[in-house]
Amino acid sequence: QVQMVQSGAEVKKPGASVKVSCKASGYTLTSYNISWVRQAPGQGLEWMGWISGYNGKASYALKFQGRVTMTTDTSTSTAYLELRSLRSDDTAVYYCARGGGVSGWCLDYWGQGTLVTVSS
Amino acid sequence: DIQMTQSPSSLSASVGDRVTITCQASQDINIYLNWYQQKPGKAPKLLIYDASNLETGVTSRFSGSGSGTDFTFTISSLQPEDIATYYCQHYDNLPLTFGGGTKVEIK
Repeated sequence: QVQMVQSGAEVKKPGASVKVSCKASGYTLTSYNISWVRQAPGQGLEWMGWISGYNGKASYALKFQGRVTMTTDTSTSTAYLELRSLRSDDTAVYYCARGGGVSGWCLDYWGQGTLVTVSS
Repeated sequence: DIQMTQSPSSLSASVGDRVTITCQASQDINIYLNWYQQKPGKAPKLLIYDASNLETGVTSRFSGSGSGTDFTFTISSLQPEDIATYYCQHYDNLPLTFGGGTKVEIK
């Protein structure tokens, strides 16, 4: 069965960087794209960007451009999200999600989420 | 960016009630709309794709309709396990954007 397993919670200081991993199993990483979505405490869902599992090409929401990098390692079927220059308002649960459906934009399998806390 | 406006932001209904949530897009998105359910402390779960198609394994109590700018999500008979927050999400173009969510509670 398809599973997306993310790395554990992180606590970072303002200005630091964080790298979250998302290991996919039960399907071939290169056949689907992966989106990253975050959710601040008590807030809604915010799409950060996506990466092609096929060729590693990434596209980011304008808000995060310059601060975010999404990568994949096909040898380990793992996707990564790196966010730099962290601020307190980056405190959120970060999710990876597989882009399924014919369009590739139906987020049909999600990781369990990784809480990133930014605090001095 | 396409704005997705969901209403209501919260609702309270009795078990067995029919519940309807609406989602309005700021421009025509054809049928490129998904609905998700999120329970507290859990990841979202895809329920409906392409505005009206039920994801495999999802209860038929849930349904979706609409096209263009106006969409509806319906729970035909509210059950205790349906308590959650529901989100719409368009995929007409990038960036993907979500509605603000509708929190469903039992009266």
